[in-house]
Amino acid sequence: GAVVSQHPSRVICKSGTSVKIECRSLDFQATTMFWYRQFPKKSLMLMATSNEGSKATYEQGVEKDKFLINHASLTLSTLTVTSAHPEDSSFYICSAYYNEQFFGPGTRLTVL
Amino acid sequence: GQQLNQSPQSMFIQEGEDVSMNCTSSSIFNTWLWYKQDPGEGPVLLIALYKAGELTSNGRLTAQFGITRKDSFLNISASIPSDVGIYFCAGRKGGATNKLIFGTGTLLAVQP
Repeated sequence: GAVVSQHPSRVICKSGTSVKIECRSLDFQATTMFWYRQFPKKSLMLMATSNEGSKATYEQGVEKDKFLINHASLTLSTLTVTSAHPEDSSFYICSAYYNEQFFGPGTRLTVL
Repeated sequence: GQQLNQSPQSMFIQEGEDVSMNCTSSSIFNTWLWYKQDPGEGPVLLIALYKAGELTSNGRLTAQFGITRKDSFLNISASIPSDVGIYFCAGRKGGATNKLIFGTGTLLAVQP
């Protein structure tokens, strides 16, 4: 139980393009999902809290116009990195809350 | 953002040895969690602790919620090669958000 998937697992894109990452809770409904970013050999840094049916809450220093979050259903949240640049390259991980936070497998984004 | 301090930063041990790691904070938390992350994957929840002084086991893993509520400990007994990975503590202060603050991580390497 408490399985979370992410798609795609890896994506390579050109600078200036937008990339959408999906996070799905497969066997439970999640009113709250979270998006994290992780740099190599570093810990997870919370980017934003995604609440179904309402606007996401962004952490200080995270550009909400650059990292668009949509939580349109109880099983799906999406993160869109708009006008991606090489410095946006990172490992993006989502989690879904079901008594505790359960994490997806992550998405490796490389911006050329 | 805030991070919890974990020690040691890394450990290199022989198979069969016991392992101890801890996580400390300058502020109080209501919940302590321990996750394990394999390379290129999302973190997996190992143990959740909800009360000061609580001691909880999950197979060879045992974790404790410090009585000051500012720290937590994880012990792994009789380590095996598949214990290799990065172990993260995470704390939650409570309230409506269910946000977690992650530790800096402990890298565990097990020599067969």
